[in-house]
Amino acid sequence: SAVISQKPSRDICQRGTSLTIQCQVDSQVTMMFWYRQQPGQSLTLIATANQGSEATYESGFVIDKFPISRPNLTFSTLTVSNMSPEDSSIYLCSVDPGQGAYNEQFFGPGTRLTVL
Amino acid sequence: RKEVEQDPGPFNVPEGATVAFNCTYSNSASQSFFWYRQDCRKEPKLLMSVYSSGNEDGRFTAQLNRASQYISLLIRDSKLSDSATYLCVVNGGNTGGFKTIFGAGTRLFVKA
Repeated sequence: SAVISQKPSRDICQRGTSLTIQCQVDSQVTMMFWYRQQPGQSLTLIATANQGSEATYESGFVIDKFPISRPNLTFSTLTVSNMSPEDSSIYLCSVDPGQGAYNEQFFGPGTRLTVL
Repeated sequence: RKEVEQDPGPFNVPEGATVAFNCTYSNSASQSFFWYRQDCRKEPKLLMSVYSSGNEDGRFTAQLNRASQYISLLIRDSKLSDSATYLCVVNGGNTGGFKTIFGAGTRLFVKA
């Protein structure tokens, strides 16, 4: 299993500004992901955070808008840049600590972002 | 067509009822399947993995039908604490890549 913390837990931001969300895991993991969950919706994968290389973004998400850092195997950040009200959402970090592919994912508690 | 489709519900059932959720997926190359539970304002947590042979965990039974690309979750003897959103999750199926798809979730309300 894995225990994940995220900071901040929530924030209210003005449009045009940027927010960086931190994700810390209690063990070293290879696979770390960032998701978005808009109100009343399910989770949408933004990107896979790769340690030592650029993140792998899903269709509809770009590095300029959602830059991601992964400096080591226990930590990652997601920045939401030049925010607009449409970016209001819950942002969740998750990890797959298992061996092999396609295992259970463990999620952080999420960051609730409101953009005014 | 969505890659993973679920009946959004909500399902309103009395305590003690049996309730079944269905999920279909579009990519026949998908490799692993899960049900997650998400409580209001909380993160999703794994409820159970789903295998072709079917698996049972207490009051919960999950089934996978690869031929029909269909996954189910059965909850027997519903408890008030079962009220949550149940997410169908499908992994894999992309050549050379990792892809996890979450269904939109089925909301369950169990009432006394």
